[in-house]
Amino acid sequence: KNQVEQSPQSLIILEGKNCTLQCNYTVSPFSNLRWYKQDTGRGPVSLTIMTFSENTKSNGRYTATLDADTKQSSLHITASQLSDSASYICVVSAGNQFYFGTGTSLTVIP
Amino acid sequence: KAGVTQTPRYLIKTRGQQVTLSCSPISGHRSVSWYQQTPGQGLQFLFEYFSETQRNKGNFPGRFSGRQFSNSRSEMNVSTLELGDSALYLCASSLGGGLNTEAFFGQGTRLTVV
Repeated sequence: KNQVEQSPQSLIILEGKNCTLQCNYTVSPFSNLRWYKQDTGRGPVSLTIMTFSENTKSNGRYTATLDADTKQSSLHITASQLSDSASYICVVSAGNQFYFGTGTSLTVIP
Repeated sequence: KAGVTQTPRYLIKTRGQQVTLSCSPISGHRSVSWYQQTPGQGLQFLFEYFSETQRNKGNFPGRFSGRQFSNSRSEMNVSTLELGDSALYLCASSLGGGLNTEAFFGQGTRLTVV
């Protein structure tokens, strides 16, 4: 069964700290993996998109990694800011379908 | 450059009614995809339209349908509404569609079925 699982479900960190979000998938055939950030009440915004051959991609303070062998991805946020508080969603494309994780809710506190 | 526009932003309907949601993609984008987002299920793919043709479809019942017009604007229709259809409905547009293309999301339409 094609699935995308994210952990942790929620996370609270202090401003300025780093954190890492995880995404494990069982989807095949794999096309690409995306990380989205969704602020409350808004649509998701793309952070990174990685294909099979890419294992690291950065977007400012966001760095995504992909291990296609173990079917795992992580999103590392460096020097967190209050504006990083949001839901982070991992999306895996396979065949002609998109498979979504249920997201990690991140709260950054002062 | 205007982003993806969804209308209306909020909608309340009663069970059994039908509803039509609208999505205007970014100018020049020919692909529009629709998604349902609920707290319990997260984001789920409904369907994708490209050049007025449905190209991909998720696992939703036939009560959910859509169409795309020649100007790439898209509408989604849900008939015989059920309480479980209450959700945030998001659309995303991209240049050519396809799984490797960057997609840009609208703000969504919050549908409440009572």
